[in-house]
Amino acid sequence: GAGVSQTPSNKVTEKGKYVELRCDPISGHTALYWYRQSLGQGPEFLIYFQGTGAADDSGLPNDRFFAVRPEGSVSTLKIQRTERGDSAVYLCASSVSGGARYEQYFGPGTRLTVT
Amino acid sequence: AQRVTQPEKLLSVFKGAPVELKCNYSYSGSPELFWYVQYSRQRLQLLLRHISRESIKGFTADLNKGETSFHLKKPFAQEEDSAMYYCALVNDYKLSFGAGTTVTVRA
Repeated sequence: GAGVSQTPSNKVTEKGKYVELRCDPISGHTALYWYRQSLGQGPEFLIYFQGTGAADDSGLPNDRFFAVRPEGSVSTLKIQRTERGDSAVYLCASSVSGGARYEQYFGPGTRLTVT
Repeated sequence: AQRVTQPEKLLSVFKGAPVELKCNYSYSGSPELFWYVQYSRQRLQLLLRHISRESIKGFTADLNKGETSFHLKKPFAQEEDSAMYYCALVNDYKLSFGAGTTVTVRA
C-alpha cells in the first residue's frame, strides 16, 4: 500500500516568511510524528499526535512552530517568521498506534531552505 | 536524559570484508534500541530492533547493557549495503537518533 507521503518535497523561502509542510500518514495509523534533521545530524523529535491531539509537543523549538492534525489523518507543520536556522529536512512518520513496540514508518521528507 | 552516540561518521570497507558500526547509548531505564538505514534516494527505514533478535540482510546487533552498546555487524559486506545507518533509542514513542554513519562498500 501507499506509504507516508509529504509535500512539498522541497521548499525554498525567504527569511521572515510563513511556510506549511504537509504529511499524509499511512491509512489507519493513529500515531503521527514530526522530526527535524539538520545537516550532519540524526532526526530530532518535534511533536507526536495520537489521533487529533498533540500528545507531546516538547520538541518544538519555539512558538514559531505549530502543528495540527484536525481530522486525525493529515497533519500540517506550520512555521512562522522563518529563520535561516530553520533550514533542515522535516520528516514525518506514522505508526499503528503510539508506543515503543509499534514501528514508525517515515516519509521522504521536505527539504526546507530559508534564504 | 537519553543519548545515542555513533562515533564514526564514515566507514569504508571492501566487499566481502566484515563491517561493524558502533553505537553507544545512555538511558536511565531498560532501553529499546533500533538500527535504521537510509539507502541513496530512499526514505529512512527500520533495519532491525534488538527485541526481535533477528538477522536482517545478514546484519545482527546485540544489546550489551554492561557496555551500553548496540553495535551493528555483518560478516561479509556487500556493495548494496552502502547507505547511511542510524542507531536509535525509543522512550515510549519518542525516537532519539545518533548522528549516523555513512558506510561505503568498495568493490
